[in-house]
Amino acid sequence: DTAVSQTPKYLVTQMGNDKSIKCEQNLGHDTMYWYKQDSKKFLKIMFSYNNKELIINETVPNRFSPKSPDKAHLNLHINSLELGDSAVYFCASSGSLNTEAFFGQGTRLTVV
Amino acid sequence: QKEVEQNSGPLSVPEGAIASLNCTYSDRGSQSFFWYRQYSGKSPELIMSIYSNGDKEDGRFTAQLNKASQYVSLLIRDSQPSDSATYLCAVAGGTSYGKLTFGQGTILTVHP
Repeated sequence: DTAVSQTPKYLVTQMGNDKSIKCEQNLGHDTMYWYKQDSKKFLKIMFSYNNKELIINETVPNRFSPKSPDKAHLNLHINSLELGDSAVYFCASSGSLNTEAFFGQGTRLTVV
Repeated sequence: QKEVEQNSGPLSVPEGAIASLNCTYSDRGSQSFFWYRQYSGKSPELIMSIYSNGDKEDGRFTAQLNKASQYVSLLIRDSQPSDSATYLCAVAGGTSYGKLTFGQGTILTVHP
């Protein structure tokens, strides 16, 4: 019954590896997001999709590639992981643009 | 100037008191305003959304919006220790079209 679910919850990997985080929402929302929360707890937008179309790409390195196969899913693939990529990544969804967003439980990524 | 600014706190109030959390934003074109609560290690949880000037009440929570002053606040009445968390202000619309832009959060501690 989870509204926005993302997997995995924890991800520990070595530098240089490639990893993916999956996100699914069952709310029927049109808009999905990826946010990064750093060690200082600041939530920063990475990507925003509306009806499977990329709306926002907030100066994220092109090692990060989102993919939205349908409106209910937004996955995040990260190539050549770096130490600085360690953070908590949150997926979220909104009914439409500029309305309240609902967050998944987060994925804590640790790059060693 | 930060797009969304909050006092980082920590704000400490006694149980039963009113906690007042403040947020200012820089873009006059912002249209939607949100308050989220985030417990340590958890995801942000929507408390209130407000779209027009004035007050909006929901249980012990009241959001206040003043677009002329570019100011939004959250009042928590009868504060409980369980209200201890980080409170995040977010705006959408205007230069934040297609995303929610968050402030850095205010840490609230309610002591018995």
